[in-house]
Amino acid sequence: SQTIHQWPATLVQPVGSPLSLECTVEGTSNPNLYWYRQAAGRGLQLLFYSVGIGQISSEVPQNLSASRPQDRQFILSSKKLLLSDSGFYLCAWSWGETQYFGPGTRLLVL
Amino acid sequence: GESVGLHLPTLSVQEGDNSIINCAYSNSASDYFIWYKQESGKGPQFIIDIRSNMDKRQGQRVTVLLNKTVKHLSLQIAATQPGDSAVYFCAESRYTSGTYKYIFGTGTRLKVLA
Repeated sequence: SQTIHQWPATLVQPVGSPLSLECTVEGTSNPNLYWYRQAAGRGLQLLFYSVGIGQISSEVPQNLSASRPQDRQFILSSKKLLLSDSGFYLCAWSWGETQYFGPGTRLLVL
Repeated sequence: GESVGLHLPTLSVQEGDNSIINCAYSNSASDYFIWYKQESGKGPQFIIDIRSNMDKRQGQRVTVLLNKTVKHLSLQIAATQPGDSAVYFCAESRYTSGTYKYIFGTGTRLKVLA
């Protein structure tokens, strides 16, 4: 069966510091991968998606970037965090139309 | 603009009663709809889905109804249990730029009263 991992689970970072969140998927090959952000009490906003290694599409202009160095690895990064980057970051995978989510990373920027 | 929304932000039900969570969507071209359950501090968990060529689909204790005429989606939970307490999201799927993109509603919080 397929599983999706995210780490770290929780992260507290100062403003201006860099960021690297990692997502890996097991049990499938060539999945579509997604990064979402969820603000407190809000719905999910799609940030990036990838249909293959090295292929990244950005949905909204922002302070973040994404990379896919391996088939089942998706990384969310920032060079300098802003206060507004705080939130719950979710990675998801699909191999068709249904998306399955990881456990999420809660990021607090102070 | 196009959106997927929920009528009730919070729904409280007695344990053992049935729950109905509603969702409205605006894009008649969407052909796939999904319900997710999200417990506090966790990622959304897939519950059930339905395609636009169907009106109803049943799972274990859950039923999704789709009314394309009024662009309305609902999730019914039978014999609601304390473990059903969570936020429920609906989403519509659209194929674009090589992948299926979801548009989520803001969610409905379900509270199960003992």
